[in-house]
Amino acid sequence: DTAVSQTPKYLVTQMGNDKSIKCEQNLGHDTMYWYKQDSKKFLKIMFSYNNKELIINETVPNRFSPKSPDKAHLNLHINSLELGDSAVYFCASSQGRGSTEQFFGPGTRLTVL
Amino acid sequence: GDSVTQMEGPVTLSEEAFLTINCTYTATGYPSLFWYVQYPGEGLQLLLKATKADDKGSNKGFEATYRKETTSFHLEKGSVQVSDSAVYFCALSDYGGSQGNLIFGKGTKLSVKP
Repeated sequence: DTAVSQTPKYLVTQMGNDKSIKCEQNLGHDTMYWYKQDSKKFLKIMFSYNNKELIINETVPNRFSPKSPDKAHLNLHINSLELGDSAVYFCASSQGRGSTEQFFGPGTRLTVL
Repeated sequence: GDSVTQMEGPVTLSEEAFLTINCTYTATGYPSLFWYVQYPGEGLQLLLKATKADDKGSNKGFEATYRKETTSFHLEKGSVQVSDSAVYFCALSDYGGSQGNLIFGKGTKLSVKP
């Protein structure tokens, strides 16, 4: 059984489009995250949700809007895509925050043309 | 703010060589420290962790010791295998300050040649 799943795995789109990436976890965790990994493999937190409430938004442009319909899902919607949004986006989850392990999804490679 | 610095890669070793990947951190609180590994085309997996000073994390032959006096968490393995080729990330979680998100180093790519 896949613990943290993301769809789609690859996403190629034109500048200016709006797209969504979905994430689901079946671990019963109460905290979910979105990370962005750039072309140099640098990983940075974008959002964190705990029990469906946003608890971190690390200066991400407001074109990015996370949506959490329930604590097992955290979707990422991106408006007006820009070239610089091209990256791999990882979803993760954990039980609580702090010292607990985070479980990562396989990533979604977004390419904006 | 909190940060993690790890050695630049790529690191290329022959099979059975000794591996060290250096990692140092800056944190205002008492962070937990992690090593994550990313195999080609996959997401990150936790390799090992340590939650307090002098703790040693270990898994799959890898070890790292939480050294508060030197603010370090260096990753070591005595004899690497080709299957260890991956990108390794050092990370900290300071739930007292940053609400528990992970702060990652820039990653070190390891290539092991047969």
